[in-house]
Amino acid sequence: SQTIHQWPATLVQPVGSPLSLECTVEGTSNPNLYWYRQAAGRGLQLLFYSVGIGQISSEVPQNLSASRPQDRQFILSSKKLLLSDSGFYLCAWSHGSNTEAFFGQGTRLTVV
Amino acid sequence: LAKTTQPISMDSYEGQEVNITCSHNNIATNDYITWYQQFPSQGPRFIIQGYKTKVTNEVASLFIPADRKSSTLSLPRVSLSDTAVYYCLVGFFVNNNDMRFGAGTRLTVKP
Repeated sequence: SQTIHQWPATLVQPVGSPLSLECTVEGTSNPNLYWYRQAAGRGLQLLFYSVGIGQISSEVPQNLSASRPQDRQFILSSKKLLLSDSGFYLCAWSHGSNTEAFFGQGTRLTVV
Repeated sequence: LAKTTQPISMDSYEGQEVNITCSHNNIATNDYITWYQQFPSQGPRFIIQGYKTKVTNEVASLFIPADRKSSTLSLPRVSLSDTAVYYCLVGFFVNNNDMRFGAGTRLTVKP
């Protein structure tokens, strides 16, 4: 069966520090991968998605970046965090259009 | 883009049937309609997906009229644990690989 792992579950980082969140998928190949951010009490904002290794589409200009070094690995990074980067970050995978998506448990990031 | 419109919030009582309607006036021919449920501090979870008419699973039913410009998620006999945010998604936009959520409907089930 397929599983998706996302870590860490919670993270407190000072302003200006770097960030690296990792997401890995097991039990499937060539998944579409997604990074979302959710502010408190708000909906999910699509940040990045990837349809293959090294292929990243960015949805919102920001100081975040994403990389996909392996088929089932998706990394969200920042060189210098801002207070506004605080939120609940979710990774997800699917097998493309019109199919069910599966989400990780999320990382709650607090930038202080 | 097949934008969706849902009520921001709904209240219900335990044991009642809840119907949440989603409008998607410019749905494309190849688009499916998918509903997700999200509890606080968790990722969304797939509930149901359909293309036309009616789909039913062990959790919910999805009603889609012939013109497919709207859909209704029906939750039978809700309980307190059904309190969550429900999202309606229509197809996948742009090049069929991105996946964008709307604001969702916050359902509160009261005792």
